Amino acid sequence: QVQLVQSGAEVEKPGTSVKVSCKASGYTFTSYDINWVRQAPGQGFEWVGRMNPISGNTAYAQKFQGRVTLTRNTSISTAYMELSSLRSDDTAIYYCARQGGLTVNYNWGQGTLVTVSS
Amino acid sequence: QSALTQPASVSGSPGQSITISCTGTNSDVGGYNHVSWYQQHPGKAPKLLIYGVVNRPSGISDRFSGSKSGNTASLTISGLQTEDEADYYCSSYTRITTLGIFGGGTKLTVL
Repeated sequence: QVQLVQSGAEVEKPGTSVKVSCKASGYTFTSYDINWVRQAPGQGFEWVGRMNPISGNTAYAQKFQGRVTLTRNTSISTAYMELSSLRSDDTAIYYCARQGGLTVNYNWGQGTLVTVSS
Repeated sequence: QSALTQPASVSGSPGQSITISCTGTNSDVGGYNHVSWYQQHPGKAPKLLIYGVVNRPSGISDRFSGSKSGNTASLTISGLQTEDEADYYCSSYTRITTLGIFGGGTKLTVL
């Protein structure tokens, strides 16, 4: 079955960077885009960006432009999200998801809590 | 861009039906048949319930159904069960950005 397994929780200081991984299994990694979405505590969802695993092409939400980088390693079916210049309001659960159709998040990772605190 | 508009909360009794609305514009919900619905239990990752306005992924109960009229999409849950108590989010493609847009979420309470 399709599984997306994300790396563990992170605690980072303001101004630093964090890199979250998302290992895919149960399907051909290069056949579906990977979306990244975040959810602040007690809040709704916010798109971070999307990556095409074959080409490496990316699309980023405007508010994260210049701070987020999506990459992948196709040899190990793993996608990565790096967010830099962290602020306290970046504290959130970050999810990766397999896109099954236009903006459809068909399968989700378990989420990675990123806490930004001094 | 503003989030899609959902009611903050809805409630119903076991066995009843409820409908959750999701209102956007003709740049998103009204302009495309790319509306999805997700269920999220506390502390859990979301689960896809509906995609393409009306389609259910394999394994999703037919108690969940989707529809759309104009700029408003709807999720109907029939035969409410206690395990349906969760947060529900809609999402849509938007031509404003190549990424999607989410609703603010609706908390369903099963009384």
